[in-house]
Amino acid sequence: AQTVTQSQPEMSVQEAETVTLSCTYDTSESDYYLFWYKQPPSRQMILVIRQEAYKQQNATENRFSVNFQKAAKSFSLKISDSQLGDAAMYFCAYSNYQLIWGAGTKLIIKP
Amino acid sequence: DGGITQSPKYLFRKEGQNVTLSCEQNLNHDAMYWYRQDPGQGLRLIYYSQIVNDFQKGDIAEGYSVSREKKESFPLTVTSAQKNPTAFYLCASSIGRGTSYEQYFGPGTRLTVT
Repeated sequence: AQTVTQSQPEMSVQEAETVTLSCTYDTSESDYYLFWYKQPPSRQMILVIRQEAYKQQNATENRFSVNFQKAAKSFSLKISDSQLGDAAMYFCAYSNYQLIWGAGTKLIIKP
Repeated sequence: DGGITQSPKYLFRKEGQNVTLSCEQNLNHDAMYWYRQDPGQGLRLIYYSQIVNDFQKGDIAEGYSVSREKKESFPLTVTSAQKNPTAFYLCASSIGRGTSYEQYFGPGTRLTVT
């Protein structure tokens, strides 16, 4: 069965600094998608970035980028120039028809 | 504006009562989902529906029921058989049910059963 592991329950970063959130997954499939979702205090789940497994190029969305290592089954999220509005729970999710979710990482931004 | 609405935002019920959570979408999406979120855990799938009048159990369907009579609506009933119903419930939709399809989420309903 597929599983997703986020080993960092909580991370903190100074405003304007860079932070990396870790995610590993387990699957025997070769074709799948990976997502990072953000859940701010409002609890509205918002898609941050997604990665197609068959694409070697790492996805990037403005200040958000991923480091996708398919062989290692690793999918980390890098947030550059952290802003106060980035404070949220971040969830990693694996998709192969069904979304499998990690437990989340709480990101704290220090002003 | 297109999106997903869930109502109410907060819901309180006495133990032993059934309660229905509303989920409506105007995105013209075929697939809809219900998730449960508990502290310190990721989202867990309760039920999903790929088309009208069809739905499938997810990982934790016991004690829940759904219907999909209209494309736009996917209500979730939490029955008295659900042993620990207090949780945050999220509804989502996607264009279809496939690996690449992004899921869009509603604002959620916090259910408290005492």
